[in-house]
Amino acid sequence: DTEVTQTPKHLVMGMTNKKSLKCEQHMGHRAMYWYKQKAKKPPELMFVYSYEKLSINESVPSRFSPECPNSSLLNLHLHALQPEDSALYLCASSQGLGGEQYFGPGTRLTVT
Amino acid sequence: GQQLNQSPQSMFIQEGEDVSMNCTSSSIFNTWLWYKQDPGEGPVLLIALYKAGELTSNGRLTAQFGITRKDSFLNISASIPSDVGIYFCAGQSYNQGGKLIFGQGTELSVKP
Repeated sequence: DTEVTQTPKHLVMGMTNKKSLKCEQHMGHRAMYWYKQKAKKPPELMFVYSYEKLSINESVPSRFSPECPNSSLLNLHLHALQPEDSALYLCASSQGLGGEQYFGPGTRLTVT
Repeated sequence: GQQLNQSPQSMFIQEGEDVSMNCTSSSIFNTWLWYKQDPGEGPVLLIALYKAGELTSNGRLTAQFGITRKDSFLNISASIPSDVGIYFCAGQSYNQGGKLIFGQGTELSVKP
């Protein structure tokens, strides 16, 4: 089983809202990732967690706040987003920090 | 920083034709991954390559890890309509904390 699940599938939020994206994997992977993707562009790395600790923050604005409550779950908390933050947000996981990354289906976020 | 050049950017082919796309890097990678992404979905891992010179097949797909460690190609034989999508290569180095460097993608259209 190489499934990563993400909820919600779609999210529309205003610039003053607070919302969260959720990601879950049950493959026993110890590394999890958040990516942002614009249409027809490659995914851009935002955050990397290894063994539930944040190991990489790619200079992401503080209006995006990641959280890893346990080894299976990854959240992305959103607050005071801008319209240019509208994108597909992808979660991925891998066995360790290297090798195959498996992506979830993504959350389509629209900021109005 | 590391950059990947992926070509071609787009391809329009007839069903049944073979397809070839490639990625070249300015630096060495230890791992090459090939993904396919359908509209509105997350990237799906097609093939993973770990050794220079390695040639790996997955059904109608064949990929190779270049001997210089700076390039990789993906071939699709006898294309079918469901091959439509965007194909991304991604390279990874051991000392980059799990980061994937993505190519810009090859958008494949197949005419029945």
